[in-house]
Amino acid sequence: KNQVEQSPQSLIILEGKNCTLQCNYTVSPFSNLRWYKQDTGRGPVSLTIMTFSENTKSNGRYTATLDADTKQSSLHITASQLSDSASYICVVSPLEYGNKLVFGAGTILRVKS
Amino acid sequence: DAGVIQSPRHEVTEMGQEVTLRCKPISGHDYLFWYRQTMMRGLELLIYFNNNVPIDDSGMPEDRFSAKMPNASFSTLKIQPSEPRDSAVYFCASSRTTLASYNEQFFGPGTRLTVL
Repeated sequence: KNQVEQSPQSLIILEGKNCTLQCNYTVSPFSNLRWYKQDTGRGPVSLTIMTFSENTKSNGRYTATLDADTKQSSLHITASQLSDSASYICVVSPLEYGNKLVFGAGTILRVKS
Repeated sequence: DAGVIQSPRHEVTEMGQEVTLRCKPISGHDYLFWYRQTMMRGLELLIYFNNNVPIDDSGMPEDRFSAKMPNASFSTLKIQPSEPRDSAVYFCASSRTTLASYNEQFFGPGTRLTVL
């Protein structure tokens, strides 16, 4: 069964600190892996999209990595800001059904001042 | 660009009533998706359209749910009759076919549905 597992479920960090969110998936074969940021009361917004052949992709202070061999991805946030407080969702696109994305449950990040 | 537009933003109704959620995709996008998000199950794909044609509705939970896309700029998701377990946030998303190997989906702000 295609699954995406994320850890931790929630995380609290101090403003200015770095953090890393984890994603393990069983979707195989897959076309691409995405990280979305969802602010409270809003729809998810894409942060990064990596194809199966890419190892890393950055978007400002957000850097995503992908290890297709171990079926793991991580999202690293550098110098966190209060506005980074949100849910971060790992999403995998199966190769066969590219439009039927498989969503993780998300990691809720809270950045404190 | 205004992004994906959904209405209403909040809907409170009583069990048994009909509910209609509306979506206007980004102009030029040829794919439209309806999702449901709950704390227990996260984001789930209900149905998606390509060029106004329903492609996959396997995620629609029951016959009480129906979706239409009469033209490229409008789609509805209808629940009739509604039940308390339908309470959730419903998102519409759209994307367009590109030369890249993936289509980025852009989500609307969602409709928070509460069925009493």
